[in-house]
Amino acid sequence: KAGVTQTPRYLIKTRGQQVTLSCSPISGHRSVSWYQQTPGQGLQFLFEYFSETQRNKGNFPGRFSGRQFSNSRSEMNVSTLELGDSALYLCASSPRTDQTEAFFGQGTRLTVV
Amino acid sequence: GESVGLHLPTLSVQEGDNSIINCAYSNSASDYFIWYKQESGKGPQFIIDIRSNMDKRQGQRVTVLLNKTVKHLSLQIAATQPGDSAVYFCAENNYGQNFVFGPGTRLSVLP
Repeated sequence: KAGVTQTPRYLIKTRGQQVTLSCSPISGHRSVSWYQQTPGQGLQFLFEYFSETQRNKGNFPGRFSGRQFSNSRSEMNVSTLELGDSALYLCASSPRTDQTEAFFGQGTRLTVV
Repeated sequence: GESVGLHLPTLSVQEGDNSIINCAYSNSASDYFIWYKQESGKGPQFIIDIRSNMDKRQGQRVTVLLNKTVKHLSLQIAATQPGDSAVYFCAENNYGQNFVFGPGTRLSVLP
């Protein structure tokens, strides 16, 4: 069974640009969550989707958005990039709404210059 | 707000010894916990989980202990090996809400 797949693995963007990251969950998993990981703040929750609906959202500005498709694949978008958005963006999938057995992908390393 | 903290940011152990990584959580309503291992350049890897109706769960070479009275979680690794060197995170969840992660403990295994 394939794991959680995130693309691309690495990205370099310029301040002010926007970026879209993709996450394909484990087959059969309908819950997808996104996290931002930085050395200073650790792992912080962005949002969670289940069956194409955003169920939960963390404390991030509106520049961070996401969506989930009918096949459970999810994308997150960051608009008007800032230097502080440089981070490892991680996606986790779970088969259930209770978030049990949540497995992570390898992440997308975003660098904003 | 909710928070999950680790007592020790770094831990060094001799190869073959047992390791104990600790975690304190603040939300007494949290009902599910996961320990993750993260190696450099990789995403967090699921190690073991435990629900709040249990106080102990064992896996292969790992044991998680949950003490709800003092809101404390620990991960025990038996016969620590060089491949166990990584950062370990505990994460708590409250009835399917988002996970709250601790800052992580770096485990270094000495030869």
